[in-house]
This record gives sequence, C-alpha cells and structure tokens, in this order.
Amino acid sequence: QVQLQESGPGLVKPAETLSLTCTVSDYPNIRGSWWGWIRQPPGKGLEWIGSIDNSGSTYYNPSLRSRVTISVDTSKKQFSLNLSSVTAADTAVYFCARHLMFRGVTYFDSWGQGTLVTVSS
Amino acid sequence: QSVLTQPPSVSAAPGQKVTISCSGSTSNIGNNYISWYRQLPGTVPKLLIYENSKRPSGIPDRFSGSKSGTSATLDITGLQTGDEADYYCGTWDSSLIAGVFGGGTKLTVL
Repeated sequence: QVQLQESGPGLVKPAETLSLTCTVSDYPNIRGSWWGWIRQPPGKGLEWIGSIDNSGSTYYNPSLRSRVTISVDTSKKQFSLNLSSVTAADTAVYFCARHLMFRGVTYFDSWGQGTLVTVSS
Repeated sequence: QSVLTQPPSVSAAPGQKVTISCSGSTSNIGNNYISWYRQLPGTVPKLLIYENSKRPSGIPDRFSGSKSGTSATLDITGLQTGDEADYYCGTWDSSLIAGVFGGGTKLTVL
C-alpha cells in the first residue's frame, strides 16, 4: 500500500508562495502513476488543485491555474506544490494523493494525512 | 459553487437505507466514471466507490454506487452510527480538463 506524507510550512504570509512536498513510499516508481493535490478550507468541502501525470504533464484547477505549479522529483520520490500570491482564502488543509486516471476513470485511492496551511501575517 | 451538485445533508435512522445523489453534466458524469469518498470527522477522505460501482478491498457491500446519465447515487444500507460523516462524489470534467468534486453531503444517523 503506497504511503504519502505532506511536508512544508504551516504558516505563510499573504502574497508569498505556499510550497509543499509530498513524499511517496512503498511504491516502486513514482513515474508509474499520476499524483494530485487536493485542499479543504476549514469547515468546507474538497477542492482539486491539480495533478501531474506519469509523463510529467500537469493539469490544474482553472480557478487556480495562474498561481499553481506541480512538479515531481523522481530521485527523491517526491512531488511538490507551489501556490503563489496566497491570500487568506488559501488557508486550508492540503492533501496529496495518488490519482488513478485512465480512459475516463479518475479517483484518488491513497491520501496523505493532510497538512494545515494558514495564510496570515 | 461546485461543478457537481450534492444535497448538503441527509439523515436516516440506524438500520435504514440512505441515498446520496450527485448531479453533473455530460462533460463530467455523463462521459466519465464517478468515485465516492467518505470523510469521518477530523480524518482523511477515504475512497468508498470507484468506476461508478466498484468497491476497494475492505469496503463492505453495504455501500453501493450507480450512475445514470449525468447523475450518480451512493446507497448505504444497514446504517450505523459510525457512518456519520461527510460524503463526496468526484470525477473528471472533460471540458474543463480538470478533476471536480461535489460540495459534500453530511450524513446524520438519527
């Protein structure tokens, strides 16, 4: 069973860039799957942020596209999220997850524990 | 405003059956498979159903999913107090080229 763990600062100042890393373990080849980021503002629902596929192509939520970058580091078995120009509205629990995606099928079968990121000065 | 529409809340008594709906459009549910997730209070979302109706290993058959046209449903039978949670549907939107979730449904077992 693949394991995922998010890491990064829990507090980010407004207008700065939120940077998180997800470390993947118990999985032979990080390039063998899609990986995604999902967030959940306090008391609200899930929001898909974006995903990176097994060739390195990225897909982003249209509402966040101008501020989001997702990348993968195969040597470290990690993938990362950068969200620029953050505001208080970006305060949320951020989850990384394995994204199964093929022929119209999409789902997230393994999730990290989530990390709360607060945007505040 | 979520791309997929779910009722904010549903409730039923222990032992009863509840149905949670998820409505979308041809660009998402109509042409892609749906998945369902359960999020117990303060925990990580967990995959309940994938490819419209398949259950991952360990998910009891009290949970079942179906899809018709641009809508999908999650049925839970034999309700238990431990089923109280938020339930989310999710899929891919081929027009947006993006993943989408419903707004979530809070299940209360009375």
